Amino acid sequence: NAGVTQTPKFQVLKTGQSMTLQCAQDMNHEYMSWYRQDPGMGLRLIHYSVGAGITDQGEVPNGYNVSRSTTEDFPLRLLSAAPSQTSVYFCASSYSWRQGSGELFFGEGSRLTVL
Amino acid sequence: GENVEQHPSTLSVQEGDSAVIKCTYSDSASNYFPWYKQELGKRPQLIIDIRSNVGEKKDQRIAVTLNKTAKHFSLHITETQPEDSAVYFCAASKSFKTIFGAGTRLFVKA
Repeated sequence: NAGVTQTPKFQVLKTGQSMTLQCAQDMNHEYMSWYRQDPGMGLRLIHYSVGAGITDQGEVPNGYNVSRSTTEDFPLRLLSAAPSQTSVYFCASSYSWRQGSGELFFGEGSRLTVL
Repeated sequence: GENVEQHPSTLSVQEGDSAVIKCTYSDSASNYFPWYKQELGKRPQLIIDIRSNVGEKKDQRIAVTLNKTAKHFSLHITETQPEDSAVYFCAASKSFKTIFGAGTRLFVKA
């Protein structure tokens, strides 16, 4: 199993550009989520999904869109990048939320810089 | 929504000493409390977790305690080693949302 795979690992954007961070997992996990990590602020939840076709907002959803058309994939879209979105982004998945929360399995992270 | 506060933000200990990191949470409905370790440039990885129906859990040199009444939980690392140096995150979870604290950077001096 590859686990949780994120692409790209690094990306530089100009203000106003759009892009998609890809996330895929091969563990048949129902739950997937996106976090951003900024110095001194921990990991903040952007969006999450409890299954295909179901998404919801986390703590800091503004400026980001998500969709979940398959169990395996959970892309994060930045429609018009802003310097405040410069961060390290982590995708994470969990096997089942129905029994309550469980361990999150993280991808390697994607470092995004917006100029 | 849930808010998790974590202290201290930085902790420096001598090798062999104990380290304690404390967290408080705001939502009394949270029922799962994991701790993650993140080494420099790596992804966070779970080191121990505890559910709300348990007061204490231990795994070798690592232990976690939970006080539901006071809404706080703590991570205890005994006999610290240089490889324990990392950033540690506490988190509180309800159903399908996991909210993290801001992290504690632990330095273990040899």
